Amino acid sequence: DAMVIQNPRYQVTQFGKPVTLSCSQTLNHNVMYWYQQKSSQAPKLLFHYYDKDFNNEADTPDNFQSRRPNTSFCFLDIRSPGLGDAAMYLCATSRARTGRWETQYFGPGTRLLVL
Amino acid sequence: GENVEQHPSTLSVQEGDSAVIKCTYSDSASNYFPWYKQELGKGPQLIIDIRSNVGEKKDQRIAVTLNKTAKHFSLHITETQPEDSAVYFCAASKIQGAQKLVFGQGTRLTINP
Repeated sequence: DAMVIQNPRYQVTQFGKPVTLSCSQTLNHNVMYWYQQKSSQAPKLLFHYYDKDFNNEADTPDNFQSRRPNTSFCFLDIRSPGLGDAAMYLCATSRARTGRWETQYFGPGTRLLVL
Repeated sequence: GENVEQHPSTLSVQEGDSAVIKCTYSDSASNYFPWYKQELGKGPQLIIDIRSNVGEKKDQRIAVTLNKTAKHFSLHITETQPEDSAVYFCAASKIQGAQKLVFGQGTRLTINP
């Protein structure tokens, strides 16, 4: 059963044309993350939502935004994609509990191509 | 901030032999160390993890060791099989609510039949 679902799996956009990537989860986890993974590199955290609280990483470009309308869904918006934004975008979730250690589950990713 | 170094970047072993991948971390406050396996075109999948209060953990053919003093941890895969071929990532984080994982650069493991 799918637990972290990302749509679409492949997305082609034009230089400068806004694009939205979608993530949903069936785990009822309260934390959702977005990572960027460029070819042959490690995933790099862009930001995360802890419940409704948005937490941006210091080096995440302003071009990247996120929305979490409810517990199950989270969106990644790229306002003006550049050629350097072509990458795999990974959504992940975890349950945060005081003093507990919880696994972070990843979705299959959306591969973004910018023309 | 945290920095994780992973070696080697590529590793090729004969089927049935063992494979070892090593990682070092910089932040002594990190207390959670997962290992992920990523197959081509897929998201990372957790294969094993270790907390800072444990020195070693084993799950069938996979084991992880942690040396907090030296700030390094290792993944050991025994009796390797062709389906073990993938990219493996180590990561480190502090458990403070959210799990902000910092990944190593990855190791491409190839199992030769």
